[in-house]
Amino acid sequence: DVKVTQSSRYLVKRTGEKVFLECVQDMDHENMFWYRQDPGLGLRLIYFSYDVKMKEKGDIPEGYSVSREKKERFSLILESASTNQTSMYLCASSLYGVGLRGSSYEQYFGPGTRLTVT
Amino acid sequence: SQQGEEDPQALSIQEGENATMNCSYKTSINNLQWYRQNSGRGLVHLILIRSNEREKHSGRLRVTLDTSKKSSSLLITASRAADTASYFCATDAWGAQKLVFGQGTRLTINP
Repeated sequence: DVKVTQSSRYLVKRTGEKVFLECVQDMDHENMFWYRQDPGLGLRLIYFSYDVKMKEKGDIPEGYSVSREKKERFSLILESASTNQTSMYLCASSLYGVGLRGSSYEQYFGPGTRLTVT
Repeated sequence: SQQGEEDPQALSIQEGENATMNCSYKTSINNLQWYRQNSGRGLVHLILIRSNEREKHSGRLRVTLDTSKKSSSLLITASRAADTASYFCATDAWGAQKLVFGQGTRLTINP
């Protein structure tokens, strides 16, 4: 079974702190994704990566950066945490980003990190 | 902007009944996927239906896709308490490398 792990289930940080969220997958997947999930807004894509050292902005990249130095690890960085970044953060991976005719593949999600910024 | 919109936003039924959730989307797609999320957890992939497919089954799940109406439905038959969760549809537009998720349907199965 594919396993996607996230470094913390719950995290509390202060405004202005630099925050690192780590995600590791164990199935040699090409693509990795970071989402945030908020009530009434659903899942929104922050960043994704289709290869080591490659990254693409999602729908809401402002205030975030990412790092992918190894294929299995994708980190989300909040350079200076703010209260509006309090949210559930979900990491996911998929085998290939773009398949036949450009189609996507199923994504495998980690358990999520609930981040509170005070 | 959100690609998929689920309907209804919330659904409450008795155990043993069937549950139907709908998803509508706006642009042409390659495939449509359904995911389940238990409270406070990550999403779990349920089923993927390609744009050239009309119906797909997996256990108690039946998914239909109508590309002319840009809509899909997820039917869960003989519901169980363990089916209580939020259900999301996700679509990928042509050429995109990413999925766009709807806001989900919250399903509650009452014993």
